[in-house]
Amino acid sequence: GAVVSQHPSWVICKSGTSVKIECRSLDFQATTMFWYRQFPKQSLMLMATSNEGSKATYEQGVEKDKFLINHASLTLSTLTVTSAHPEDSSFYICSAPRQGAEAFFGQGTRLTVV
Amino acid sequence: AQSVTQLDSQVPVFEEAPVELRCNYSSSVSVYLFWYVQYPNQGLQLLLKYLSGSTLVKGINGFEAEFNKSQTSFHLRKPSVHISDTAEYFCAVKDTGNQFYFGTGTSLTVIP
Repeated sequence: GAVVSQHPSWVICKSGTSVKIECRSLDFQATTMFWYRQFPKQSLMLMATSNEGSKATYEQGVEKDKFLINHASLTLSTLTVTSAHPEDSSFYICSAPRQGAEAFFGQGTRLTVV
Repeated sequence: AQSVTQLDSQVPVFEEAPVELRCNYSSSVSVYLFWYVQYPNQGLQLLLKYLSGSTLVKGINGFEAEFNKSQTSFHLRKPSVHISDTAEYFCAVKDTGNQFYFGTGTSLTVIP
């Protein structure tokens, strides 16, 4: 079964509104989670590293004020796309590493901003 | 930072034929290697991984991969593909930290 649950799987929102995406580790604790963005027919691009109890680390070129990350507990990280615009439409995927080098990925969220 | 190269962006292959998806990585230090499969509008599913030990790794759905340290390669193979294998395949490298580095992906299309 899935060990990382991402919700919602898809969302459509109006331009200017905010959207929150949740990523939960179901049977293990994750002090670190990763958020990726994937454009059609392209690979996953790391956006930020979410750290439980501290600020997220953002990759170069990612606007921290637009993509708010909160890692309030050892099993939950959230990504909020603020004031979304059509160019933010994409597939967002979270992942959580577990002991033994493996990482588990959420099912992804298809965001469409209209 | 690591670099992962998947030379083939698209691979068409007939059903029941063998297939090899190529992956090369840049690091000369110890790394962990992975192959993931992604179906449309879904997350990534682990096919197989190499952490240590035997260089030939067997995964799910009949896939296997061989770690070649001298050539810094980790090619994915399947002796006989099925229609259901049509998907996007990503090679990934993880170093001693927690961060994964992904290749650009290979789109495998199985032709009936």
